[in-house]
Amino acid sequence: QTVVTQEPSFSVSPGGTVTLTCGLSSGSVSNSNYPSWYQQTPGQAPRTFIYNTNIRSSGVPDRFSGSILGNKAALTITGAQADDESDYYCVLYMGSGLWVFGGGTKLTVL
Amino acid sequence: QLQLQESGPGLVKPSETLSLTCTVSGASISSGDYYWDWIRQPPGKGLEWIATIYYSGSTYYNPSLKSRVTISVDTSKSQFSLKLSSVTAADTAVYYCARHTPESGNFYWGQGTLVTVSS
Repeated sequence: QTVVTQEPSFSVSPGGTVTLTCGLSSGSVSNSNYPSWYQQTPGQAPRTFIYNTNIRSSGVPDRFSGSILGNKAALTITGAQADDESDYYCVLYMGSGLWVFGGGTKLTVL
Repeated sequence: QLQLQESGPGLVKPSETLSLTCTVSGASISSGDYYWDWIRQPPGKGLEWIATIYYSGSTYYNPSLKSRVTISVDTSKSQFSLKLSSVTAADTAVYYCARHTPESGNFYWGQGTLVTVSS
């Protein structure tokens, strides 16, 4: 079964830039996987931040951007702020109606 | 505004069947505009997609759960449901209902409901 890979944890300094990635255990991520990114804070449901590679959801600050970098999807935060500290999940479409979530990245702003 | 509300027992005994319902308001479940999903998250762990249904009845299942899962829709009640059979402690999780638009990874989530499997 295909595994979606994410960095388990990442740390960024306030004001810094960080890129989280979302890859496949076999193969490359492309736009046809509709890569999407979710932010989840403790006790809350996930919230869409970026969908379909690079479309920012309503209300999401423009310091968040999505792209394909090499063979992975990427979420870049430019000018990180303290309240960006959270868990971030990606999801990929595998075809035939099937979706797979990555294991999530715990982002620390320190 | 679209709202999704999960309901069902918070405690299920091992080997029994977990049953949850999601009530949709603010959108027509039979409009064809959305696919309807179940996703879960064990305590302290990541998200797992379980299943998707379209108003027409087309269903899609996570291969790792397929033998135990049934998703169904009742358009007259604007609800869709999840049944997971032969549950074990590993099925303890927050269960979210959600919707996504065709050809999009933009999932919109309910608040989630915690289901604990324990005797």
